[in-house]
Amino acid sequence: DARVTQTPRHKVTEMGQEVTMRCQPILGHNTVFWYRQTMMQGLELLAYFRNRAPLDDSGMPKDRFSAEMPDATLATLKIQPSEPRDSAVYFCASGLQTGGGTEAFFGQGTRLTVV
Amino acid sequence: AQSVAQPEDQVKVAEGNPLTVKCTYSVSGNPYLFWYVQYPNRGLQFLLKYITGDNLVKGSYGFEAEFNKSQTSFHLKKPSALVSDSALYFCAVRDRGSARQLTFGSGTQLTVLP
Repeated sequence: DARVTQTPRHKVTEMGQEVTMRCQPILGHNTVFWYRQTMMQGLELLAYFRNRAPLDDSGMPKDRFSAEMPDATLATLKIQPSEPRDSAVYFCASGLQTGGGTEAFFGQGTRLTVV
Repeated sequence: AQSVAQPEDQVKVAEGNPLTVKCTYSVSGNPYLFWYVQYPNRGLQFLLKYITGDNLVKGSYGFEAEFNKSQTSFHLKKPSALVSDSALYFCAVRDRGSARQLTFGSGTQLTVLP
C-alpha cells in the first residue's frame, strides 16, 4: 500500500532552534508539495517541486524556511531559526502530475510546536 | 485568480439522513474540483474529483458531488450518513488554464449524530 511517509510525526522545539521535517513521496510520483495547516489560516501551500526542481515557493517565508529535494525519494522542509508562530501541522503530499486534474496524496503530517 | 469557499464551518446531521457539504468556487477559466476528507490526526484523503464530462461525480465511501457551472458550485453529498463519516471536509479548486496548484477551502466539520 503506497503512501507518503513523513518524519517526525511530532516535534517540540525551543524558539531559535533549527527544525528539519522529512518526507518520502510515493515512488514514481513526480510532484511533491509542502502544506502548512493552522486553525487560523487553514491549508496553505508553502512550496512544490516537479521532477525535484522547485517550481513555486512563494508561499514560504524565505528568510527562515527552505525546501529541498536531495533525491527523488526525499523532500525536506527546514526552519531556521524557528519561532512560536511556526507552530502548525506540516503536510507533505505527492502526485503524478501529468495534467492539472491529478489528485495529491497526503502524508500524516508533522505536528510542530515551537515554545 | 482562483478561490474556493465553504460557507459552513460545521454541519450536523443524524445518522441515516442525507448530508450535503457546500462548496463554491471562482476561477478565471474552467476548474478542476476536488473533495478531500481529514480524520483527526491524519492527513487529507482524496474522495473524488471533477475533471470533465458527467456533472455528477461518484467517489469513495458512497460520496458524490455535483458540478454546477452556472452556480459555480461543487457540493458534496451522501444519501445516508454514517457516524463514521464525521470528519473535516475540504473542497479544492485548480484553474485549468493556470500554473497554480490547488487552492483549498477552509474546511467544514461534519458531525453525524447517532
